[in-house]
Amino acid sequence: NAGVMQNPRHLVRRRGQEARLRCSPMKGHSHVYWYRQLPEEGLKFMVYLQKENIIDESGMPKERFSAEFPKEGPSILRIQQVVRGDSAAYFCASSRTGDTQYFGPGTRLTVL
Amino acid sequence: QKEVEQNSGPLSVPEGAIASLNCTYSDRVSQSFFWYRQYSGKSPELIMSIYSNGDKEDGRFTAQLNKASQYVSLLIRDSQPSDSATYLCAVIQGGFKTIFGAGTRLFVKA
Repeated sequence: NAGVMQNPRHLVRRRGQEARLRCSPMKGHSHVYWYRQLPEEGLKFMVYLQKENIIDESGMPKERFSAEFPKEGPSILRIQQVVRGDSAAYFCASSRTGDTQYFGPGTRLTVL
Repeated sequence: QKEVEQNSGPLSVPEGAIASLNCTYSDRVSQSFFWYRQYSGKSPELIMSIYSNGDKEDGRFTAQLNKASQYVSLLIRDSQPSDSATYLCAVIQGGFKTIFGAGTRLFVKA
């Protein structure tokens, strides 16, 4: 069984560009979570989605950040007009029940 | 007060010893608790989940939960150098939001 997949694994953007991060959950999982991790820091919850619905986006900045999990296809975390402070590792996790979460390999975003 | 607190370490133990990792949480309605291991540059991997007061054992790992004291711990028996990593405590609060502690770095000396 394939695990949680994320792409790209590494993404380089210049300030002001857009970053799109993709997450395909494990087969049979309909719950997706996004986290951000800065170097030497813990995981920070950003958003929790189920198919076509945002359940909790309390950890996501109000501006420039958005997330979706369409009926078909992967979940997308979108960052518009990136700034250097957005450089981090972004992890996606999926769950079958909304409880135990399994993580993908992450996307390392570097903003030049 | 942080919602989920862990001692950042590093915690250093000799090979073969028991490593004890601790975590406290602030939300009394929390019902689900998890331990993850994260190697440097890698993603977190699930070690154990625990939901009821008491101990839960899985191989060399034992999770302990005390809801009255809002305390959860992880014991690693017969520690190996390959156990050297950062250990993350995670708590699902009332609802769906998962809060992670900052992690405890463990070093197992050969």
